[in-house]
Amino acid sequence: AQKITQTQPGMFVQEKEAVTLDCTYDTSDPSYGLFWYKQPSSGEMIFLIYQGSYDQQNATEGRYSLNFQKARKSANLVISASQLGDSAMYFCAMRDPYSGAGSYQLTFGKGTKLSVIP
Amino acid sequence: KAGVTQTPRYLIKTRGQQVTLSCSPISGHRSVSWYQQTPGQGLQFLFEYFSETQRNKGNFPGRFSGRQFSNSRSEMNVSTLELGDSALYLCASSLSSLAGHTDTQYFGPGTRLTVL
Repeated sequence: AQKITQTQPGMFVQEKEAVTLDCTYDTSDPSYGLFWYKQPSSGEMIFLIYQGSYDQQNATEGRYSLNFQKARKSANLVISASQLGDSAMYFCAMRDPYSGAGSYQLTFGKGTKLSVIP
Repeated sequence: KAGVTQTPRYLIKTRGQQVTLSCSPISGHRSVSWYQQTPGQGLQFLFEYFSETQRNKGNFPGRFSGRQFSNSRSEMNVSTLELGDSALYLCASSLSSLAGHTDTQYFGPGTRLTVL
C-alpha cells in the first residue's frame, strides 16, 4: 500500500524568505507521480507542481520547486520568496497509475500548515 | 476555461436523511473522483468515475454511492446520514489518460456537509 508522510504539522516563515515543506513516500511501484496541492482556508485544493518518478530533473513552477530525491523517497516542496498569500495547508500526494484498471486515485499526506509572518 | 464546480457549497442535514452532491468537471475531462476530508482522517478517496463507469472505490460503506452522466457530470449520494459524515467533500476531474500518472487532477471548491 502506498503511504505519504508529512512530518511537519505546522511551519512559520518570514515574508520574502524561502521555506521547505517535507514529504516522504512509500511505494513498491517503479512508476508513480507526485503532486503538491495548496488548500487555503476557503477549502479548494489548488494544484501547484508535479514530479514523475522517471523525470530526470526536479520540477519547477514559478516560485515553487520540488526537491526530488528518489533513492530517499522524498519529494520536498520549496517555496521561494514567501508571500502572505502563501499561508495555507499544503498537501503532498501520490498517484499510482496501476490502482485499479488505470483508475485515478491520489493518496494524500496529512498536510503542513504554513503561516507566513509579515 | 471554467474550473470544476460543485453544488451546493454548504449543506446542513440531520441524521438519517440522505443527500446528493453534484460536480461538473472541467470541459473535456472524462474522469471524476470524489474525496472526503475530515480533521481526523484527512483526505480519503471515495470513488472514481470514467465514461459513466465506476473504476475504483475507496474503503467506504455502501451508503456512499455515485454516478456519472454522459456529459461527465457526476453526483454522489450519501444515504442514512450519520454524524461522522460531516466533512468537506471534494470533487476532482482529470483528462484521464488510461495509462501513466502524468495526468493532473483539478479540484473543485468542495461541498461542506454538516450532519446534526
